[in-house]
Amino acid sequence: AQKITQTQPGMFVQEKEAVTLDCTYDTSDPSYGLFWYKQPSSGEMIFLIYQGSYDQQNATEGRYSLNFQKARKSANLVISASQLGDSAMYFCAMRGTSGGYQKVTFGTGTKLQVIP
Amino acid sequence: DGGITQSPKYLFRKEGQNVTLSCEQNLNHDAMYWYRQDPGQGLRLIYYSQIVNDFQKGDIAEGYSVSREKKESFPLTVTSAQKNPTAFYLCASRLGGSWNQPQHFGDGTRLSIL
Repeated sequence: AQKITQTQPGMFVQEKEAVTLDCTYDTSDPSYGLFWYKQPSSGEMIFLIYQGSYDQQNATEGRYSLNFQKARKSANLVISASQLGDSAMYFCAMRGTSGGYQKVTFGTGTKLQVIP
Repeated sequence: DGGITQSPKYLFRKEGQNVTLSCEQNLNHDAMYWYRQDPGQGLRLIYYSQIVNDFQKGDIAEGYSVSREKKESFPLTVTSAQKNPTAFYLCASRLGGSWNQPQHFGDGTRLSIL
């Protein structure tokens, strides 16, 4: 079984500051992938960043970076220089296998609010 | 443009009624997924399919059914056995074969009970 845990239901950050959103996971798969998505109030899901379980370096995409600590089973999202448009729900997700099938499981999300 | 189309955007269900949510993709993706999202909550996996004519139950499949007769289509039926169907339903697809391919999502269907 695979499980994603996001322990921060809500976070506040000052505009232009950096913020870290936590994500821990549990899986018995030797190979898996971790994703972060953003969901604005309009409801659409926007892909932000990906980290593979065998990737040697932490993933980065513009202002987004992923602090991947495999031994601790954590994949925290770091947003640098926060902008007002970053206010949204953020979801961590994991792609693994279940009985030979590809399964993608999401955490409960963190609501980020950027303060001017 | 390629993408995922969910319809309708809003749907109302009467007591004892089955309703079907449509999901169509023209991305030529192999895998398709249905998620349920309750207010302020995460996405919970209902069903997923890797290939045509094959699908697997997710974490909350009870009261739901799906079919995958064509690669581009993955409709979800919310049956009368689902006693609390009010939620936001998201369909997603994904290109198979590579670990780093993200899911692409539709704009969702909001289902409410009349």
